[in-house]
Amino acid sequence: ETGVTQSPTHLIKTRGQQVTLRCSSQSGHNTVSWYQQALGQGPQFIFQYYREEENGRGNFPPRFSGLQFPNYSSELNVNALELDDSALYLCATGRDRATGELFFGEGSRLTVL
Amino acid sequence: QKEVEQDPGPLSVPEGAIVSLNCTYSNSAFQYFMWYRQYSRKGPELLMYTYSSGNKEDGRFTAQVDKSSKYISLFIRDSQPSDSATYLCAMGHSGYSTLTFGKGTMLLVSP
Repeated sequence: ETGVTQSPTHLIKTRGQQVTLRCSSQSGHNTVSWYQQALGQGPQFIFQYYREEENGRGNFPPRFSGLQFPNYSSELNVNALELDDSALYLCATGRDRATGELFFGEGSRLTVL
Repeated sequence: QKEVEQDPGPLSVPEGAIVSLNCTYSNSAFQYFMWYRQYSRKGPELLMYTYSSGNKEDGRFTAQVDKSSKYISLFIRDSQPSDSATYLCAMGHSGYSTLTFGKGTMLLVSP
């Protein structure tokens, strides 16, 4: 158990809808990152938050957005869902934004129909 | 060429075998290297973290990094059926906590 919890665990949406995924950080961790893992692929970096500000972004369009709250919990929002957005969305937290020692939650599995 | 290359497998071994998992990479700026284990429909679990070149041992697991060859390895001794999972290598730049992952190697350990 990493102490990183994500909700919901599974959800089904239709194309064009919007979705919000949530993550609760492990105690003492001040960075939160979101990754997308398509079936049979490694996780792909979406973005990272540090002290409530975006601190890096991968190659994802602006319809992927996020928030980090003062208690270090976080949200990932995806607008105008597309079929290719179907994936496991992983939240990862860390103690230090200068190293890659990240601890992942179990993920939210999104299916877009 | 992808930044991180990893053979997807599956790699099938009998219980008790020594397992060798490998990744190659192209970005010489990578300075820290990790191995994660991921069971089906679960999140990745951090197994090993190494900084720069060298070896690191933790129980049955040994991680090796050869920066001159841009090659990293994970060895599992006395493999167990419970080791059956997908193993992901990941790496990043010093000063940043963004990770670049390989596609993962599926390991199957038969009793």
